[in-house]
Amino acid sequence: GAVVSQHPSWVICKSGTSVKIECRSLDFQATTMFWYRQFPKQSLMLMATSNEGSKATYEQGVEKDKFLINHASLTLSTLTVTSAHPEDSSFYICSAILAGPEQQFFGPGTRLTVL
Amino acid sequence: GENVEQHPSTLSVQEGDSAVIKCTYSDSASNYFPWYKQELGKRPQLIIDIRSNVGEKKDQRIAVTLNKTAKHFSLHITETQPEDSAVYFCASGRTASKLTFGTGTRLQVTL
Repeated sequence: GAVVSQHPSWVICKSGTSVKIECRSLDFQATTMFWYRQFPKQSLMLMATSNEGSKATYEQGVEKDKFLINHASLTLSTLTVTSAHPEDSSFYICSAILAGPEQQFFGPGTRLTVL
Repeated sequence: GENVEQHPSTLSVQEGDSAVIKCTYSDSASNYFPWYKQELGKRPQLIIDIRSNVGEKKDQRIAVTLNKTAKHFSLHITETQPEDSAVYFCASGRTASKLTFGTGTRLQVTL
């Protein structure tokens, strides 16, 4: 159990376009999911907390209009990088909370390259 | 907010030797301390976790110890194998929903 999937695994896009990344909990329901960003050889940086049925909570310094998060169901959260620029190129990883006792499980990540 | 320091940043051991990675945290209210293993380009995988009501937990070759008084916890890997080579991240938080991650330790197990 506790499988989290992400799609796509990698994406290359042109500057100015928008990219949507999906995060799914495959075998459990997740009221809370998280979106992280990871630069090469660095740690995980929390971008936002995605709550099913309500607005996401963004960490300080993360632009909510730039990184749109939608958590429309108990198994799906999406992150849309709007008007992407080369500096948005990164490894984006989602995670979900499995209850009883709580543990955080990660998706396989999406490598975004903006040309 | 919580601050987590992790040492060493890189660690090289010979196959069969033990490896120890240490983390310190700042929030005395933190109760949950997971360890994740991340291979290059892959997802962080939860390998072991400990909660503040216990001081030590073991799972085969992996163990974690927690000292709440000193606010530090450690990962111990015994009889290391080449497949243990990866980046290991510690994390701490009041719950699994509020984790702060360490900066990572790159473990290299050499033959």
